[in-house]
Amino acid sequence: EADIYQTPRYLVIGTGKKITLECSQTMGHDKMYWYQQDPGMELHLIHYSYGVNSTEKGDLSSESTVSRIRTEHFPLTLESARPSHTSQYLCASIVSGGNEQFFGPGTRLTVL
Amino acid sequence: SQKIEQNSEALNIQEGKTATLTCNYTNYSPAYLQWYRQDPGRGPVFLLLIRENEKEKRKERLKVTFDTTLKQSLFHITASQPADSATYLCALDDRGSTLGRLYFGRGTQLTVWP
Repeated sequence: EADIYQTPRYLVIGTGKKITLECSQTMGHDKMYWYQQDPGMELHLIHYSYGVNSTEKGDLSSESTVSRIRTEHFPLTLESARPSHTSQYLCASIVSGGNEQFFGPGTRLTVL
Repeated sequence: SQKIEQNSEALNIQEGKTATLTCNYTNYSPAYLQWYRQDPGRGPVFLLLIRENEKEKRKERLKVTFDTTLKQSLFHITASQPADSATYLCALDDRGSTLGRLYFGRGTQLTVWP
């Protein structure tokens, strides 16, 4: 199993709170991704990173932001959570030149 | 518009039978196609990759075919077991995009009953 970690696994918070979802990988992978997935739906790419100090928005419009200060760490931040942000958030990484994506276990976020 | 369609949301088969899952795509130009397994509440796990110049790929009880003319991939699980019950996702790249990103289908939920 790949060494990619996400915390917390579950989070229930109130509207307006600021939250950070953590993602770390110990494989030294350059490329990292954040996906959003609702039940029975496809994964939607919301952010990605080529490497340190490189971040880009994905296809799905998202009010979240990301940072990539260290290779192994790719946190996602919501400045002011809303009920529409309720979803599962999946982090993934891939080695340069590779094709297989390694996924973390996901964070299930519920905003009340 | 671009679409990835996987056959019926759910597939139920008896243990020991072969499960066949379908992935059709429109308006993508993939160099390769991948299949992932996803269990409830977990992240997807990579199973197989097949390249555009490969017709078939096998791994233990799994077999994948890729027909770029039909724009279709078939995923087979032979001698299926209840432990194979999960959602299976089709994913492909697109030559027009960067960063080796993947586009995912919604998945097919497979249930294997004893």
